[in-house]
Amino acid sequence: GQNIDQPTEMTATEGAIVQINCTYQTSGFNGLFWYQQHAGEAPTFLSYNVLDGLEEKGRFSSFLSRSKGYSYLLLKELQMKDSASYLCATMDSNYQLIWGAGTKLIIKP
Amino acid sequence: GAVVSQHPSWVICKSGTSVKIECRSLDFQATTMFWYRQFPKQSLMLMATSNEGSKATYEQGVEKDKFLINHASLTLSTLTVTSAHPEDSSFYICSARGEREGLNEQYFGPGTRLTVT
Repeated sequence: GQNIDQPTEMTATEGAIVQINCTYQTSGFNGLFWYQQHAGEAPTFLSYNVLDGLEEKGRFSSFLSRSKGYSYLLLKELQMKDSASYLCATMDSNYQLIWGAGTKLIIKP
Repeated sequence: GAVVSQHPSWVICKSGTSVKIECRSLDFQATTMFWYRQFPKQSLMLMATSNEGSKATYEQGVEKDKFLINHASLTLSTLTVTSAHPEDSSFYICSARGEREGLNEQYFGPGTRLTVT
């Protein structure tokens, strides 16, 4: 079957670093995506990993280990505007996205 | 990046009426469009996948006669919620993918919040 797990909620402090983990089991794999979703809005694309390793993009980095079925999203120098839900999604063999339930990140001053 | 629009952004309708939501790709040709539904504090649930000029493929548990999808052109797909009921109140999001943009790229519309009273 297909399953994606990520923590329901995390809390971090402004200026700090937070790592959001995602583990997955999917039939076929065409990459892993991270999206940010603010309340009441559609998801916005953050990152895409299809090969093992770390992809860095500004304050955000995403890591993938295909053998472990594991990814994380690393957010540095947290800002209040980073308070949002972060969705992990894998793309299956039919190029359809399989979504995790999302991690609600709360940033405290 | 590519832009996808949805209209309306929010709609309130009475139980029993039908509502049409439009999804448009503004600067690319969307060969495939996806319709999602998201209930509060839950993840996106894929309702159906539509390819231009052909019938939509519905996910298990989604009633095709209730959620009518039309993908008549490469830039427009519509979702019609027929005989809406309060339990259909949700956030409906479309995404679009074009051949040139690559199979790994999906661009999301801003979403439509439907409230059925």
